[in-house]
Amino acid sequence: DAGVTQSPTHLIKTRGQHVTLRCSPISGHKSVSWYQQVLGQGPQFIFQYYEKEERGRGNFPDRFSARQFPNYSSELNVNALLLGDSALYLCASSLAWRGGRDQPQHFGDGTRLSIL
Amino acid sequence: QKEVEQNSGPLSVPEGAIASLNCTYSDRGSQSFFWYRQYSGKSPELIMFIYSNGDKEDGRFTAQLNKASQYVSLLIRDSQPSDSATYLCAVLPSLHGSSNTGKLIFGQGTTLQVKP
Repeated sequence: DAGVTQSPTHLIKTRGQHVTLRCSPISGHKSVSWYQQVLGQGPQFIFQYYEKEERGRGNFPDRFSARQFPNYSSELNVNALLLGDSALYLCASSLAWRGGRDQPQHFGDGTRLSIL
Repeated sequence: QKEVEQNSGPLSVPEGAIASLNCTYSDRGSQSFFWYRQYSGKSPELIMFIYSNGDKEDGRFTAQLNKASQYVSLLIRDSQPSDSATYLCAVLPSLHGSSNTGKLIFGQGTTLQVKP
């Protein structure tokens, strides 16, 4: 079975631009979460979507938005890019929204975003 | 106080030794605990999860949980150079503390170096 797939793998943008990152969860998984990981730090939670509804939002500005489609794939959008948005953006999927006991979150390979 | 704390390391052990990685967390109601391995430039890979006090073994890996002390650890027996990576501790917080999301809270990771 395919794991979590993310596209693109790498992206270079300039300040002020907009970016859309895409994620397809593991087949059967209905929950998709987005994380930002800057160099030397652990991933930071951005959003969670379950059954196409936002179930959680981390401490990120309104420039960050996301949505989930009927096939459970998801997009993360970031507007007005800043240098500080340079990071590895990770998508994780799980069967249920809590992703806890026996239903852990599995990560995709990530999208490395560089802002010039 | 950080929600999840890990010593950033690096932790250096000789090949064949036991590597001990530690993590503390602040939310006493946290329910599930995860260890992810992350190779340089790659995404986190789930290696263990635990939710009951005590030990859980899987091959060369043992996760240990002590909820009273709010402490979780990962032991790697017979360490191999291929185990050299950053190990991320992640916690699924209590329903109350997490505002009903499935977000994971990560530590900053411990870098493990296994020397041949």
